[in-house]
Amino acid sequence: DTEVTQTPKHLVMGMTNKKSLKCEQHMGHRAMYWYKQKAKKPPELMFVYSYEKLSINESVPSRFSPECPNSSLLNLHLHALQPEDSALYLCASSQTTGELFFGEGSRLTVL
Amino acid sequence: GQNIDQPTEMTATEGAIVQINCTYQTSGFNGLFWYQQHAGEAPTFLSYNVLDGLEEKGRFSSFLSRSKGYSYLLLKELQMKDSASYLCAVKRNYGQNFVFGPGTRLSVLP
Repeated sequence: DTEVTQTPKHLVMGMTNKKSLKCEQHMGHRAMYWYKQKAKKPPELMFVYSYEKLSINESVPSRFSPECPNSSLLNLHLHALQPEDSALYLCASSQTTGELFFGEGSRLTVL
Repeated sequence: GQNIDQPTEMTATEGAIVQINCTYQTSGFNGLFWYQQHAGEAPTFLSYNVLDGLEEKGRFSSFLSRSKGYSYLLLKELQMKDSASYLCAVKRNYGQNFVFGPGTRLSVLP
């Protein structure tokens, strides 16, 4: 199994909603990531979990809240988002050495 | 801090060879990775270099010079399906920190 699975693929939410993005991998990778990507821009790092502990938070607003329940799962909880948060949210995983494996992404639209 | 630069757009002809450059300035360098991203899809891994020199993988090759802060991706025998964005990413040696360059949009013409 060399896949990173993200759900949902598409999400539309209002500014007062609470929703979550989910990510799962079964490759035994111990590092998991959230990236945000706007159209025609590169992925921007948001959070990194290493061995289930948050190791990097790139000054992301608190309306985004990551959670790593176990070594295979990564969640991104969303609350009180703004329209400018609309983007493709990419989950990735990696070994401590080696490349990133990306999921297909969750396309988020905030109305 | 870090700074990664790539050309914004390139155009090449089917069957030709194209070289996409990436320059970087970063502390704690721990490898340079190349990804391909088709519109609306996730990035997929192509190649990486940790040490200086050339790595070849089929039609794709990547080169690194750490002293010059320079890498390139070489695509041979271009096909229409190679039209995509190509992203270089620097891995830093603290945490698991991959930082992406701005990407190069390659258009392959018949």
